[in-house]
Amino acid sequence: GEDVEQSLFLSVREGDSSVINCTYTDSSSTYLYWYKQEPGAGLQLLTYIFSNMDMKQDQRLTVLLNKKDKHLSLRIADTQTGDSAIYFCAESGIQGAQKLVFGQGTRLTINP
Amino acid sequence: GAGVSQSPSNKVTEKGKDVELRCDPISGHTALYWYRQSLGQGLEFLIYFQGNSAPDKSGLPSDRFSAERTGGSVSTLTIQRTQQEDSAVYLCASSRTGLSGNTIYFGEGSWLTVV
Repeated sequence: GEDVEQSLFLSVREGDSSVINCTYTDSSSTYLYWYKQEPGAGLQLLTYIFSNMDMKQDQRLTVLLNKKDKHLSLRIADTQTGDSAIYFCAESGIQGAQKLVFGQGTRLTINP
Repeated sequence: GAGVSQSPSNKVTEKGKDVELRCDPISGHTALYWYRQSLGQGLEFLIYFQGNSAPDKSGLPSDRFSAERTGGSVSTLTIQRTQQEDSAVYLCASSRTGLSGNTIYFGEGSWLTVV
């Protein structure tokens, strides 16, 4: 079945780059997403990448997709305290299915 | 409205009571989704609506859970005879037509606590 895996925790120093990794199982996923959830809040769509792309950059965010290895990463450059949150990776699941399959989320902690 | 709106934002209910959670999607979005996020868990898909019909309700955990959508807009998720394990954040999301080529936007969630 569909499965998305992420490490649960990541701690970085302020100003460093954060790299959050995700692996997925469904090779037919058309889109892969990154969502951010701040404490007590809903999910905020950060970015998404189409499966025929290798990379997508948006300001401080860089998404890399290795479709062969089914590996997705989110790099946050110059990490700030406001980036502290849980980051969820999601895939669009079985082609034609209308639901996202989420990972467990990675809690990013910023150290001063 | 500008975003997906959910109500109530917080609900505390006694075990055995029924609850209704409401979702108002982004105007013009035909696709609507309900997810559940339990403490320490990821997001669990519950049900998907396209217009007023629900082609995928495979994630509803038991027959105590039901959802409807009227007028292609507002949706209500109903949990009957609530149990403590129903305590979670219930998230609603919408997208313009569905997943293909369309981003999905989430509401702030309804935090349900069953005591």
